Amino acid sequence: DIVMTQSPLSLPVTPGEPASISCRSSQSLLRSNGNNYLDWYLQKPGRSPQLLIHLGSNRASGVPDRFSGSGSGTDFTLKISRVEAEDVGVYYCMQAQQSPRTFGQGTKLEIK
Amino acid sequence: QVQLQESGPGLVKPSETLSLTCTVSGGSIRGYFWSWIRQTPGKGLEWIGFVHSTGNTDYNPSLRSRVSLSLDTSNNHFSLRLISVTAADTAVYFCARHYNSGSFPLDYWGQGTLVTVSS
Repeated sequence: DIVMTQSPLSLPVTPGEPASISCRSSQSLLRSNGNNYLDWYLQKPGRSPQLLIHLGSNRASGVPDRFSGSGSGTDFTLKISRVEAEDVGVYYCMQAQQSPRTFGQGTKLEIK
Repeated sequence: QVQLQESGPGLVKPSETLSLTCTVSGGSIRGYFWSWIRQTPGKGLEWIGFVHSTGNTDYNPSLRSRVSLSLDTSNNHFSLRLISVTAADTAVYFCARHYNSGSFPLDYWGQGTLVTVSS
């Protein structure tokens, strides 16, 4: 299985400040079509996960443009340009390169 | 708007079978992949497997010997069956739909249902 490793596991952020989460995979998520098979999800408190980013850098429908995804191969980053109170929760990366799909451990973003 | 709702027993005895159903509303079950994912404090999010409306399935090897997924297009729902459960199968179980392009991400999720394995 592909192992997904996120850092940091806890991320306190002041509202209005940027935030960055790293996700590394044990194998490359880049396919010959040029796409990286990496998705990002946010699980808000008491809720189910919601899709933020797919194929490494494509924002899902309705996701604010303060969220952006980047990276290729085995190293990926989710950035929030200016954190808002509604962004609190646990962020997960998930690889879709091969079966079984596997998730990172999660990064808990909290407001300072 | 597509909505998913899990249903089934919240308590299952050890060695028995866990059965859950995910009812899809606001859209057809046809033409999509549908997954089950579970979440525990210790192991985080774990993908269990998917079923396509054509009947095609794929399972996590860690559960393959005990799990089966099925789909009912007439009633617009799909189901999970996990046999020989132990306390390690205690988790919140989510059903989710795969978007039909790219990395086939999970774009719609149910609210999740807690299943406890205990005598």
